[in-house]
Amino acid sequence: NAGVTQTPKFQVLKTGQSMTLQCAQDMNHNSMYWYRQDPGMGLRLIYYSASEGTTDKGEVPNGYNVSRLNKREFSLRLESAAPSQTSVYFCASSRPGRANTEAFFGQGTRLTVV
Amino acid sequence: AQTVTQSQPEMSVQEAETVTLSCTYDTSENNYYLFWYKQPPSRQMILVIRQEAYKQQNATENRFSVNFQKAAKSFSLKISDSQLGDTAMYFCAFMKHVNSGYALNFGKGTSLLVTP
Repeated sequence: NAGVTQTPKFQVLKTGQSMTLQCAQDMNHNSMYWYRQDPGMGLRLIYYSASEGTTDKGEVPNGYNVSRLNKREFSLRLESAAPSQTSVYFCASSRPGRANTEAFFGQGTRLTVV
Repeated sequence: AQTVTQSQPEMSVQEAETVTLSCTYDTSENNYYLFWYKQPPSRQMILVIRQEAYKQQNATENRFSVNFQKAAKSFSLKISDSQLGDTAMYFCAFMKHVNSGYALNFGKGTSLLVTP
């Protein structure tokens, strides 16, 4: 059981370049999330999707766009990368919008913008 | 704004000893769920323990237990008989209601080092 799969695991971008982080889950979860993790800041929510066809901004959405391609896949796009977007990115999923559900995480993508 | 506070950025404990990690949170909801996640050097986020706010009994999972004080909005994690493999970042989180569902809201984390 793969769980939540993120690609790539590592990426270096030049300022101004664009890229898409891919995420797929095989647990039939409705809800999917993108977080970024910075030293001393914990994990902060970028965007989330409560169900297929819906997306909403989280705490730190500026500079990002998302696409919920289908129930399994939720991608995060950086249109013009900036050094401030250097971070570790996590995709997560959970069962339909219930407060008691744990989130399952991918292994993370370490992104460096130079 | 962060609504989960972990006041101990770093902690250290000797193997086989007990350590307690602190967490406080702020919410206006009455029913909610709290979590502790562990992040070892591998970077993987691993659920350690979960607490339902409407249950008075503190959750336990083997060597891990919580002290949940709802009135004080406190949710500490106790690790008994610490092992070298417990070395990791520990994040406190609660599932907060957002526009169209729920999302985890994390504290800044506590880095725990278990020494021989």
